[in-house]
Amino acid sequence: AQSVTQLDSQVPVFEEAPVELRCNYSSSVSVYLFWYVQYPNQGLQLLLKYLSGSTLVKGINGFEAEFNKSQTSFHLRKPSVHISDTAEYFCAANPSGTYKYIFGTGTRLKVLA
Amino acid sequence: DSGVTQTPKHLITATGQRVTLRCSPRSGDLSVYWYQQSLDQGLQFLIQYYNGEERAKGNILERFSAQQFPDLHSELNLSSLELGDSALYFCASSVGQGGNEKLFFGSGTQLSVL
Repeated sequence: AQSVTQLDSQVPVFEEAPVELRCNYSSSVSVYLFWYVQYPNQGLQLLLKYLSGSTLVKGINGFEAEFNKSQTSFHLRKPSVHISDTAEYFCAANPSGTYKYIFGTGTRLKVLA
Repeated sequence: DSGVTQTPKHLITATGQRVTLRCSPRSGDLSVYWYQQSLDQGLQFLIQYYNGEERAKGNILERFSAQQFPDLHSELNLSSLELGDSALYFCASSVGQGGNEKLFFGSGTQLSVL
């Protein structure tokens, strides 16, 4: 069965420090991969997506993610976080040939002053 | 603003009751997706409609049903409600059938079953 695992439920980090949010997927077919962000009391917004091609994907707000097929990972990174990045981040996968977007359980990023 | 409208924003009801959640997709989007977000299970895919037809089904209970109307708005019906149905229900839309597309999410309907 296809699944998405976000290994960390919460990640505290100081402002201006780098951060990595981890995501692993399980799929017997190729997948499209996404990262979404959810700010308090709002719906999810797309940060970036990987469809094919270059394994390093750049998104909005200075975030980037790297697709690693051998490790079935799609970790999200930002070199220097801001207080405003405090939010919940969701990794999602859509196995090729299906219409189901499978979401991970989310990682709550808390940026500390 | 994502352009996806969900009503109502909050709903409080009792066990055994039935409620209807409504979603209007972005103008031009043909697909509507329903998700349930709870603290213990994260974001669970319920069902997707594309241009009025059911396209994909996830972990949707038999007590729940949905439909997409000719004007492309969608309704999620939840019946015989239980305490465990309390959750945030999101609707999302996309232009096409999905797969490699960006989903646009509404701000959700918070359902509280007492």
